Amino acid sequence: SQQGEEDPQALSIQEGENATMNCSYKTSINNLQWYRQNSGRGLVHLILIRSNEREKHSGRLRVTLDTSKKSSSLLITASRAADTASYFCATDGGGSRLTFGEGTQLTVNP
Amino acid sequence: KAGVTQTPRYLIKTRGQQVTLSCSPISGHRSVSWYQQTPGQGLQFLFEYFSETQRNKGNFPGRFSGRQFSNSRSEMNVSTLELGDSALYLCASSSQTGPYEQYFGPGTRLTVT
Repeated sequence: SQQGEEDPQALSIQEGENATMNCSYKTSINNLQWYRQNSGRGLVHLILIRSNEREKHSGRLRVTLDTSKKSSSLLITASRAADTASYFCATDGGGSRLTFGEGTQLTVNP
Repeated sequence: KAGVTQTPRYLIKTRGQQVTLSCSPISGHRSVSWYQQTPGQGLQFLFEYFSETQRNKGNFPGRFSGRQFSNSRSEMNVSTLELGDSALYLCASSSQTGPYEQYFGPGTRLTVT
């Protein structure tokens, strides 16, 4: 079963706009990661945030983590058509085993 | 460094048959994990191998098994295939220096007819 839920399930925006995706989880975690998946292909690691961190940036990506609410958000700024993909959050409790959310399908229209 | 490779990329099998999928991790990575992805269940953890030992196992029936070789390459086997085993099977490797960023291969698309 999935650790948590992602919201929204689908998001459609125009190029240049910002995209925000949310992830909630149920149990305590050590780390939370975000991955991108292009249609039916492998997952690409985007960013990892540790449980003692509140915010992290990588290029156009900003991730926040609120452990008191058991939630995280991924912000993609100035989106591009190439950002069209499914985005998954994944949590771990200290080992290699990842528990994934259900994913958000992002469509960026040119 | 070369990425994670998986073979074959696509596979069609008949119910009742068995199948073996292969994964070669990134050079130097000793941990290999397997995940199943289906539209209904999403991404689910199958098992993890580290230094030829299964270190963690998901909630899958015994028909799903795996192994890891001394060069860290891993195989997973599914016996007595069922229609519900149709899925994308993803392999991921990590360096185990923590905190466990995982690098995924392109996956093997298994179709059971």
